[in-house]
Amino acid sequence: SYFLTQPPSLSVAPGQTARMTCGGAKVGTLRVQWYRLQSGLAPVLVVYDGSVRPSGIPERVSGANSGDTATLTISRVEAGDEGDYYCQAWEGSSDHVAFGGGTKLTVL
Amino acid sequence: QVQLVESGGGVVQPGRSLRLSCAASGFTFNNYGMHWVRQAPGKGLEWVAVISFEESNTYYADSVKDRFTISRDNSKSTLFLEMNSLRVDDTAVYYCVKDLEEYNYEYLFDYWGQGTLVTVSS
Repeated sequence: SYFLTQPPSLSVAPGQTARMTCGGAKVGTLRVQWYRLQSGLAPVLVVYDGSVRPSGIPERVSGANSGDTATLTISRVEAGDEGDYYCQAWEGSSDHVAFGGGTKLTVL
Repeated sequence: QVQLVESGGGVVQPGRSLRLSCAASGFTFNNYGMHWVRQAPGKGLEWVAVISFEESNTYYADSVKDRFTISRDNSKSTLFLEMNSLRVDDTAVYYCVKDLEEYNYEYLFDYWGQGTLVTVSS
């Protein structure tokens, strides 16, 4: 098995920057994705391959992945960014699909 | 645009069976691997199963192996999940998910359906 660790919650004021972390052994060697879940909506892929934004995701959303930590950064946070954010990776040696436990982002 | 619409969820007793379906549109269905991912109430996401684009390969999470079967009908752009010997801890919202990579699957989930709720209870 392979495990990814996320802090359970993060609160940020509108206009500020939200940084969410995802920890795992040598996660920097893996392809890491981030998903946003909001009540009543289908989950949305916001970053893949550590730092690539799909079309439709604004430039104020960015990702980085190195060493044992992947990071999702949302600049100029808005109320619409609220939701649960999950990191995910497939670890080949154990053939395991891992999701982090999720971080609930609250916009104050 | 890509649309994935799940159906077939409901309330079922432990030990019984249920079949989920997912109607896909907006992309060339038979070119992409497809997955099921679930989320139990108040819990995180859990990957369940994958099927390759040409149906030849399937893989399962240990928690559902030998009980669940993933399949697809490329002529109808439809994905299925046959769930047997259901347990209380299978209670979850089940999402139909498209893989980002064409002609392969890399466990990168680029489009998700809205999910269908399966409740296993006596």
